[in-house]
Amino acid sequence: EPEVTQTPSHQVTQMGQEVILRCVPISNHLYFYWYRQILGQKVEFLVSFYNNEISEKSEIFDDQFSVERPDGSNFTLKIRSTKLEDSAMYFCASSEWGGSWSNEQYFGPGTRLTVT
Amino acid sequence: GIQVEQSPPDLILQEGANSTLRCNFSDSVNNLQWFHQNPWGQLINLFYIPSGTKQNGRLSATTVATERYSLLYISSSQTTDSGVYFCAVSNDMRFGAGTRLTVKP
Repeated sequence: EPEVTQTPSHQVTQMGQEVILRCVPISNHLYFYWYRQILGQKVEFLVSFYNNEISEKSEIFDDQFSVERPDGSNFTLKIRSTKLEDSAMYFCASSEWGGSWSNEQYFGPGTRLTVT
Repeated sequence: GIQVEQSPPDLILQEGANSTLRCNFSDSVNNLQWFHQNPWGQLINLFYIPSGTKQNGRLSATTVATERYSLLYISSSQTTDSGVYFCAVSNDMRFGAGTRLTVKP
């Protein structure tokens, strides 16, 4: 069964450093998403991406975050200058459809980011 | 934005017991999913259920979209069912706070 993959599974970085989290969505899916979950809290939507553009973003997704689909398979989340409060599990998801159509999202296993 | 409330927040069961988890949402939605977060933090898709009823083994779910709630039923619970159960709604997947289920042997 096709699945969303994420690398690395765990990333440790120092405050102020840039990190790139990588995701490979399911191959025929058109919509891509990033979510984060701070330890012990609920999962929060960050951004959705379609047709090489951000389609929606939350208030969390500020100027330090950016997303990119650098090639036909990868989808990345970049955090420019990490802060301690960016420590969280980051989930990538993809769906075949999106927008006003109902869609089932498939989640990757997550990348645990630890900022020291 | 849409509000999602899950109840109960915590649930402790003996192995073999049945349980019902509830998800209420504040507006009409075109997408609702139930997830199980396992001890390793992975989100496991349980059901995609914007309306109607579905069953998968010991688990089943019902969404009554007109009344803005969904229920997840777990029958004959096992220790491996322990973890946090989340519902999420709408295209930007607003998650509830989850129900933490502990199944004791």
